[in-house]
Amino acid sequence: KNQVEQSPQSLIILEGKNCTLQCNYTVSPFSNLRWYKQDTGRGPVSLTIMTFSENTKSNGRYTATLDADTKQSSLHITASQLSDSASYICVVGDRGSTLGRLYFGRGTQLTVWP
Amino acid sequence: EADIYQTPRYLVIGTGKKITLECSQTMGHDKMYWYQQDPGMELHLIHYSYGVNSTEKGDLSSESTVSRIRTEHFPLTLESARPSHTSQYLCASSGGQGLEKLFFGSGTQLSVL
Repeated sequence: KNQVEQSPQSLIILEGKNCTLQCNYTVSPFSNLRWYKQDTGRGPVSLTIMTFSENTKSNGRYTATLDADTKQSSLHITASQLSDSASYICVVGDRGSTLGRLYFGRGTQLTVWP
Repeated sequence: EADIYQTPRYLVIGTGKKITLECSQTMGHDKMYWYQQDPGMELHLIHYSYGVNSTEKGDLSSESTVSRIRTEHFPLTLESARPSHTSQYLCASSGGQGLEKLFFGSGTQLSVL
């Protein structure tokens, strides 16, 4: 069964600290892995997209890594800011159909305290 | 900044009412999607369209219907709303060649009393 599991479910950190969010998936055949940021009451916004051949991708203070062998990804946030408080969603795409189906995780709820 | 718009942002209605959730995008994307999201849960695809006059049901069984008469417009309709339809509805679009980025609207939070 194709699944995307994220950990932790929630996380609280102090402003200025770093943190790492985890994503494990069983989606096969694998095509791509995406990280989205979703503010409360808003739609998700794309942070990074990686394919099988990419190990790391950065977007400002956000750095995503991918290990396609172990089917794991992480999102590292550097020097956190209050505006980083949001849900971070891991999404994995397959290449087994013309739809290019996407499987969504439940997200990690990050809270940054001053 | 994504140019995809959803209206209304919030809607509270009574059981049995017919409602239409609007979604429009100005990016010229061929592909559009409707997702349903409950608090703390993953997004579920309920409808998608690959172009004008093309609509398909997604993974999650839904009593809603969609239409795609114009490229930029992808409305979702519930003929008779029920409390079980209470949820957040997110519209998205994608386009271009290669690995396509999904752009989401801000969502419609629907509450059926």
